Amino acid sequence: QKEVEQNSGPLSVPEGAIASLNCTYSDRGSQSFFWYRQYSGKSPELIMSIYSNGDKEDGRFTAQLNKASQYVSLLIRDSQPSDSATYLCAGGGSNYKLTFGKGTLLTVNP
Amino acid sequence: SAVISQKPSRDICQRGTSLTIQCQVDSQVTMMFWYRQQPGQSLTLIATANQGSEATYESGFVIDKFPISRPNLTFSTLTVSNMSPEDSSIYLCSVERDADTQYFGPGTRLTVL
Repeated sequence: QKEVEQNSGPLSVPEGAIASLNCTYSDRGSQSFFWYRQYSGKSPELIMSIYSNGDKEDGRFTAQLNKASQYVSLLIRDSQPSDSATYLCAGGGSNYKLTFGKGTLLTVNP
Repeated sequence: SAVISQKPSRDICQRGTSLTIQCQVDSQVTMMFWYRQQPGQSLTLIATANQGSEATYESGFVIDKFPISRPNLTFSTLTVSNMSPEDSSIYLCSVERDADTQYFGPGTRLTVL
């Protein structure tokens, strides 16, 4: 059974710090990985996608993928209180289905 | 990305009744998905809905309980049948775009009494 595990959290960081969110996956056939942000009472919003080993940067966000270790991470630099949300890691296969982790609740303290 | 709407945004229903949730997207998409998110939990895929074919259900979900329609490339419905309090959840539709990326609708918050 395909599984995606996230560091359970909750994670609390001060404003301006780097928040590090981690995820491991069990299915070596997974080809694509996604990070979604979900504010309380809202639907998931796509932040980043990553398909190849290495780093992918978009503004304050950097996604990292290591397929050998089956590991995906999201770094948020210069964290802001508005980044406080639940972050969901998801892995995708050839059938377009996504498997989601349970999410990590991030709180950024002013 | 995609602009997706869902109706209703929330509802309170009585046990034993059924509710149909609509999902509308702003342009044609091949694949639409329906998820359930129970309180404090992550997303669980209910089924994949492709236009012109029967929906494909995940383990633990059956057509009699969650019938799905996909009449065209911009619209789908999910019905939650014979509801019980355990069906109280947020129901989300998503569409696949841009190399298997999924974008989510705003969700339908269902409470069953």
